[in-house]
Amino acid sequence: SQKIEQNSEALNIQEGKTATLTCNYTNYSPAYLQWYRQDPGRGPVFLLLIRENEKEKRKERLKVTFDTTLKQSLFHITASQPADSATYLCALANFGNEKLTFGTGTRLTIIP
Amino acid sequence: NAGVTQTPKFRVLKTGQSMTLLCAQDMNHEYMYWYRQDPGMGLRLIHYSVGEGTTAKGEVPDGYNVSRLKKQNFLLGLESAAPSQTSVYFCASGWTAFNEQYFGPGTRLTVT
Repeated sequence: SQKIEQNSEALNIQEGKTATLTCNYTNYSPAYLQWYRQDPGRGPVFLLLIRENEKEKRKERLKVTFDTTLKQSLFHITASQPADSATYLCALANFGNEKLTFGTGTRLTIIP
Repeated sequence: NAGVTQTPKFRVLKTGQSMTLLCAQDMNHEYMYWYRQDPGMGLRLIHYSVGEGTTAKGEVPDGYNVSRLKKQNFLLGLESAAPSQTSVYFCASGWTAFNEQYFGPGTRLTVT
């Protein structure tokens, strides 16, 4: 069956360090993968999209990698700040599919 | 621009009652989605629409109906609410299936 797994439910990182979140998938042939941020009591907010033929994408302090051989995406936040504390969701869609499937998320806490 | 708005923000229903959740977007997006989010389950797609007058089933459509009579509005109906439908409901919209989705603030529904 198809499955998306995000490495851990919760991750605590010291301020200033790089936070790395993992998204693994099985039985998908994704056309692209997206990362979202969700704060408590609010809807998810889009951060980055990476296509299956791209290895890496960057946006300011954020970096996403996509390895279709390992069936894995890594999401990095460099120079992390307490304001980066949130739940981060990965989502992917297969070719020809109009729908995104979301992982359950990783709750990231940046400790001052 | 208001983006994606949802009405109401909170609602408590008794088992067997009906209600309609309204989603509105002012970005002229073709695609609209309804998700539910439960602890440990992540976001699950209920129904979606690829344009005015169209609807399609998602992952968990049972017990829900939808309509997209106007491009900017997507309605989610519960005909006979059940306690299993207690959840947070999010609406989202997007330009195409391959672009980011914009989420509303959510509706917290409790069925007693």
